[in-house]
Amino acid sequence: GQQLNQSPQSMFIQEGEDVSMNCTSSSIFNTWLWYKQDPGEGPVLLIALYKAGELTSNGRLTAQFGITRKDSFLNISASIPSDVGIYFCAGGPEGGSNYKLTFGKGTLLTVNP
Amino acid sequence: DTAVSQTPKYLVTQMGNDKSIKCEQNLGHDTMYWYKQDSKKFLKIMFSYNNKELIINETVPNRFSPKSPDKAHLNLHINSLELGDSAVYFCASSHLQGYEQYFGPGTRLTVT
Repeated sequence: GQQLNQSPQSMFIQEGEDVSMNCTSSSIFNTWLWYKQDPGEGPVLLIALYKAGELTSNGRLTAQFGITRKDSFLNISASIPSDVGIYFCAGGPEGGSNYKLTFGKGTLLTVNP
Repeated sequence: DTAVSQTPKYLVTQMGNDKSIKCEQNLGHDTMYWYKQDSKKFLKIMFSYNNKELIINETVPNRFSPKSPDKAHLNLHINSLELGDSAVYFCASSHLQGYEQYFGPGTRLTVT
């Protein structure tokens, strides 16, 4: 099946720093989504991207749908301690009618105050 | 107020037992899902229902049986529990033909 390569696997940063993470695939996706999971909670949708080249912001978060439709990037600016968590990318494949998402393995973000 | 809710939050049981997890969404969505998250935090879809009809059924042991009494509810029944079933199970929902899925808080299942 389709696989997403998400990197980095983990990041340790200082409060105030900017963060970048990305997902790549060998297949084309129609949709890219970014989720954040806090400990003991379910994933929360942060940003949804539907168009190649699209750049969308949500507060300090900015995500981009790669032009090739095989990748996506998430940037967090001026990180704060509550940004800690696992960030997942998810791709919605081209074609098909069951709207099944494929998830990356997550990026664990730690922010040192 | 809660969009997608699951019960119970924690479930500890012994091998061989049968257990159920319940999920409800009040978002008016047509499609609901069950995911399994393993110890490495990998999220894998198990099932999807659209308007009470099964539309995704991944390679899941037939000890797992989803049941959707109406489009706002999707329950997961597990027979003859095994140690390897220990994981966090998430329910999610979305609009018909939509990729934006909204997750519940999860049920941590521990099989001893």
